[in-house]
Amino acid sequence: DAGVTQSPTHLIKTRGQQVTLRCSPKSGHDTVSWYQQALGQGPQFIFQYYEEEERQRGNFPDRFSGHQFPNYSSELNVNALLLGDSALYLCASSRLAGDTGELFFGEGSRLTVL
Amino acid sequence: AQSVSQHNHHVILSEAASLELGCNYSYGGTVNLFWYVQYPGQHLQLLLKYFSGDPLVKGIKGFEAEFIKSKFSFNLRKPSVQWSDTAEYFCAVNALTGRRALTFGSGTRLQVQP
Repeated sequence: DAGVTQSPTHLIKTRGQQVTLRCSPKSGHDTVSWYQQALGQGPQFIFQYYEEEERQRGNFPDRFSGHQFPNYSSELNVNALLLGDSALYLCASSRLAGDTGELFFGEGSRLTVL
Repeated sequence: AQSVSQHNHHVILSEAASLELGCNYSYGGTVNLFWYVQYPGQHLQLLLKYFSGDPLVKGIKGFEAEFIKSKFSFNLRKPSVQWSDTAEYFCAVNALTGRRALTFGSGTRLQVQP
């Protein structure tokens, strides 16, 4: 049973560029959440997708956008990158039915913005 | 909005010492509570969770946590730590009203010396 998979694992961008990160949820899960984890901090909620729509959003600017596909996989897009966007981006999946808040995490995509 | 405070940012213990990591949350309603662990180079994993019932919950690897509603606390304990417990520990809360996203504390880095 595959867990949550993310790609790429590492990437380097320069200020002003755009980045797309990808996530495949755990088998049987239909909900995907994205988190940003800056160095030395806990994960911060970006947004959550279910049924191909953004259902909840944290305190992140519109530069952060996402998408969910019919197979439940998801993308996180960040436009006009800033140095402060350097972080580990975590994807987490869950199942809406009987949702308890428990999340299953991928290993993350480490983004460095120069 | 809900928030989580972890008081200990960095804890250093010798093997066989007892561990207690503090976690307090702020939210007036009913919550689910979690402790996640992140071992070096690995993804976030669920250590234990509290939904309802017995406020003393047991997780994997000998960890336990006690929910004290009156103190809004969910402290993590282990009677005797091992070198392999070296990791970062995150407390998280999920408010049941409105299906809010999982909110994490800033984490506690535990270093166990052999």
